[in-house]
Amino acid sequence: QKEVEQNSGPLSVPEGAIASLNCTYSDRGSQSFFWYRQYSGKSPELIMFIYSNGDKEDGRFTAQLNKASQYVSLLIRDSQPSDSATYLCAVNQGAQKLVFGQGTRLTINP
Amino acid sequence: DGGITQSPKYLFRKEGQNVTLSCEQNLNHDAMYWYRQDPGQGLRLIYYSQIVNDFQKGDIAEGYSVSREKKESFPLTVTSAQKNPTAFYLCASSMSLGLPNKGEQYFGPGTRLTVT
Repeated sequence: QKEVEQNSGPLSVPEGAIASLNCTYSDRGSQSFFWYRQYSGKSPELIMFIYSNGDKEDGRFTAQLNKASQYVSLLIRDSQPSDSATYLCAVNQGAQKLVFGQGTRLTINP
Repeated sequence: DGGITQSPKYLFRKEGQNVTLSCEQNLNHDAMYWYRQDPGQGLRLIYYSQIVNDFQKGDIAEGYSVSREKKESFPLTVTSAQKNPTAFYLCASSMSLGLPNKGEQYFGPGTRLTVT
């Protein structure tokens, strides 16, 4: 069983709609959770992190964490074509290492 | 201008040759990491170092070697023993764990290695 799982997509969302990206993890001891955006051919860029249950908002992005369900999500409101990218979920399991999911490819259609 | 630099951006080698990828950071981060990414895949950890003169194997260390002689530098050597070396190689760094740091890592621009 993979430690961090994401739907690989592609996820296609119309411009202006809400994009919802999901991630589940297997280690209940996981402490902090990260979302990275990766444009094609580029390196990952950190866009959100969360470590407490509930929601964390930053501009058009909202990260949601539910530790009981071992589930973390990223919502992108008012999606723009520039949001088209692969989104990587990463989990810190207590050591100074991150475990990454395989990423969800998101396409925003004008 | 703080950041992580990797060079070169593209690298071509013949099979059987060792090649060293450079990674330098001026963020004063303690920890540094090397990942490999294959097309359509997530990131797999090769090696990491939490302090100068110390490093640990990640999930796919076979065929790779590293050194950490300076805090700012963490070069990766891809040896001829690595069976499928063609990939996108990413270097990252992180502050030591502890408030406010929660383990977030920041990435360099990457080196795309092609071995034929």
